[in-house]
Amino acid sequence: QPVLTQPPSSSASPGESVRLTCTLPSDINVGGYAIYWYQQKPGSPPRYLLYYHSDSDKGRAPGVPSRFSAFTDNSAHAGILLISGLQSEDEADYYCMFWSSTDSGVFGGGTTLTVL
Amino acid sequence: EVQLVESGGGLVQPGGSLRLSCVASGFNLDDFAMHWVRQLPGKGLEWVSVITRTGSKIAYADSVKGRFTISRDNSKNSLYLQMSSLRPEDTAFYYCAKDIYSANWDRFDSWGQGTLVTVSS
Repeated sequence: QPVLTQPPSSSASPGESVRLTCTLPSDINVGGYAIYWYQQKPGSPPRYLLYYHSDSDKGRAPGVPSRFSAFTDNSAHAGILLISGLQSEDEADYYCMFWSSTDSGVFGGGTTLTVL
Repeated sequence: EVQLVESGGGLVQPGGSLRLSCVASGFNLDDFAMHWVRQLPGKGLEWVSVITRTGSKIAYADSVKGRFTISRDNSKNSLYLQMSSLRPEDTAFYYCAKDIYSANWDRFDSWGQGTLVTVSS
């Protein structure tokens, strides 16, 4: 079962930008899979934010601000969630996810984002 | 408004069985694939299973394969998860989640509030 690795925590100040990483196993082609991002606040179910596969295949859920974006960093072998103009309401857990070659869903361990 | 309401959680002994239900409203259940996703209290998410709109395609996580069975009754707007041979490590909140597609799966665009399953003696 492939594993997606996310740092357990990250922090930044309001107005700053923050990059949340989701590292894929080294034997998986980063460009071959769509990476999905979910946000979860305490006491609530997760919420789908956006996905990135390529510059021509990406999308943001309705109502998600444009300051949330995603891309892949091939040198880091990772999917990246970029949050610009950080706001206090962005404080939450963020999970990446992809579908493996065997059609199994795989989540990362999640990153807790703290807005200082 | 899309609503998903799970039920059927509770306390069960190791080796026992439980059946979870998820009732959908605000959309036509038979237009979409549906998933179960679980979350250990205070921990991360784990995808459990998916079923397409007609039930023609089903998939399970390796951790539950052979023990859990997903099903649906579109006439009742309901999704189910039959869990057997339960283990303490199955203790989690179980969410049902709606996919954006019908005959395949992609992303979960709506989630229920979850139901808690506790496996303990």
